Amino acid sequence: DAGITQSPRHKVTETGTPVTLRCHQTENHRYMYWYRQDPGHGLRLIHYSYGVKDTDKGEVSDGYSVSRSKTEDFLLTLESATSSQTSVYFCAISGDREGEQYFGPGTRLTVT
Amino acid sequence: QKEVEQNSGPLSVPEGAIASLNCTYSDRGSQSFFWYRQYSGKSPELIMSIYSNGDKEDGRFTAQLNKASQYVSLLIRDSQPSDSATYLCAVNSNTGNQFYFGTGTSLTVIP
Repeated sequence: DAGITQSPRHKVTETGTPVTLRCHQTENHRYMYWYRQDPGHGLRLIHYSYGVKDTDKGEVSDGYSVSRSKTEDFLLTLESATSSQTSVYFCAISGDREGEQYFGPGTRLTVT
Repeated sequence: QKEVEQNSGPLSVPEGAIASLNCTYSDRGSQSFFWYRQYSGKSPELIMSIYSNGDKEDGRFTAQLNKASQYVSLLIRDSQPSDSATYLCAVNSNTGNQFYFGTGTSLTVIP
């Protein structure tokens, strides 16, 4: 998986609780992305980062925040989880702004 | 209108046949185009990237791009049962910072 890990791989949480997902890379790539994948919607970009402390919103960013304090780590936080955030979350990395992306193994999140 | 559209399928082809997967996109400023393969329960895996009009071949895979028609396709020759998966088309935004994915086409190769 191109040196990308995600943790946890599975999580069940209750509505209203905070949740943080971690993406870790060993490739020293500049760009990192968080996507969610839902049936009928495909992969949708939540947030992305183009460097340490440099992040921007994607098309479905409401209810999510991110942080990148080190090149290798990109954190996705759900401040107060809702059932609509039940999904599979993928992290991806890229060495180029318009280049190929490589995906992590995914995190399956269930909000009850 | 969605940024990237694909036929959801399912598409079934016999083993050894050519599978043809199609994708259209709405942003005329897009410059980068990708095909990913995703097995059930797994993460997307990059198959092909294409940046200029025409064909690009890699083994049994050929990507075709027509920017004037805003159309990109993937041909899989000599299809194998192991090619059975969902194929995702991805296109970058005109700013280059974001990527849009289609919902995927499910392909089944019948032995």
